[in-house]
Amino acid sequence: EPEVTQTPSHQVTQMGQEVILRCVPISNHLYFYWYRQILGQKVEFLVSFYNNEISEKSEIFDDQFSVERPDGSNFTLKIRSTKLEDSAMYFCASRLREKSEKLFFGSGTQLSVL
Amino acid sequence: ELKVEQNPLFLSMQEGKNYTIYCNYSTTSDRLYWYRQDPGKSLESLFVLLSNGAVKQEGRLMASLDTKARLSTLHITAAVHDLSATYFCAAPISSGSARQLTFGSGTQLTVLP
Repeated sequence: EPEVTQTPSHQVTQMGQEVILRCVPISNHLYFYWYRQILGQKVEFLVSFYNNEISEKSEIFDDQFSVERPDGSNFTLKIRSTKLEDSAMYFCASRLREKSEKLFFGSGTQLSVL
Repeated sequence: ELKVEQNPLFLSMQEGKNYTIYCNYSTTSDRLYWYRQDPGKSLESLFVLLSNGAVKQEGRLMASLDTKARLSTLHITAAVHDLSATYFCAAPISSGSARQLTFGSGTQLTVLP
């Protein structure tokens, strides 16, 4: 079965450093998302992306965050200057088309900011 | 602001028993989603409930939606150890196409032998 793949599975970085989290959505999907889950807390929406632009973003997704689809397969989340509170599991998700209800999630990247 | 509340947050049950997890949400929504998460793993879509009165079943799990009561339930029948996981419900923040979901806190289910 097709799946969303994320790399790396674990990322450790120093506070203030830039990180890029990478995702390869399912190939024919059109809608892409980033969510995060701080340890022991709820899964939180960060951003949605369609047709090469951001559709919606949450309050968490401030100027330190950006997303990009640099080519036909990758979808990246960049954090420019990481903070301790950015430590979380980051999930990428994709959806086939507008009327598709099912979100497919990747296995996540555990980001630890030291 | 949409709030999604689940209860219980922790549930230990014996194999073979039945139980129900409840999901309440605070604003009108015509759809509700259930996900399963195993420790350290991603979110697996279990059910997509698209209308009032929707009921879906998969194996020992059955989910229902009452949009008037703003309530969804996930019923577990004759639990088995393999069902041990954390279960999340989620509702879309709006009926728009972006599918920004608000998740509940999750119910950590442990099925004991």
